[in-house]
Amino acid sequence: NAGVTQTPKFQVLKTGQSMTLQCAQDMNHNSMYWYRQDPGMGLRLIYYSASEGTTDKGEVPNGYNVSRLNKREFSLRLESAAPSQTSVYFCASSERPSGEKLFFGSGTQLSVL
Amino acid sequence: SQQGEEDPQALSIQEGENATMNCSYKTSINNLQWYRQNSGRGLVHLILIRSNEREKHSGRLRVTLDTSKKSSSLLITASRAADTASYFCATEEPGTYKYIFGTGTRLKVLA
Repeated sequence: NAGVTQTPKFQVLKTGQSMTLQCAQDMNHNSMYWYRQDPGMGLRLIYYSASEGTTDKGEVPNGYNVSRLNKREFSLRLESAAPSQTSVYFCASSERPSGEKLFFGSGTQLSVL
Repeated sequence: SQQGEEDPQALSIQEGENATMNCSYKTSINNLQWYRQNSGRGLVHLILIRSNEREKHSGRLRVTLDTSKKSSSLLITASRAADTASYFCATEEPGTYKYIFGTGTRLKVLA
């Protein structure tokens, strides 16, 4: 049972390039989340999808877009990467949107030069 | 701004000692959760406490919640070197479906 799978694990971009971070879960969870983690800042919520077909902004959505492709997959897109988006990105899922524990992927380390 | 603030930011103890870390938050919550993160890895859920609960235990973990003070504490008893990690609290605000994390406590357990 793979749980939450993120690809790629590492990525280096130049300023202005675009890319999509992929996330898939095999636990039949309804809700999915994207967080970024910067040193000393803990995790900050970028976007979340409470259920298939819905997406909502989190704490730091600027510069990102998301797509809930189906129940399993939730992608995060950087349209024009900036150095401030250098971070570790984590995808998470939960069975329901409220009152449930989150299951995390292993993260994507992104550097924007 | 982040919902939760953990205290202390870093903690170093000897194996066998107890470790206590605290989390303060700003708004009303549905529940509060604690997570552990080993260096460079994803977070792992430890325990969830609902807003109508005051204390919860799981193995060597004890969590308390004081909604009047908007604070929670995580106690790890008889710590082991393997407990070395960062610990984060996360709160769910009513009606938002958002889980907001604090800044974390870095725990180092010395063998």
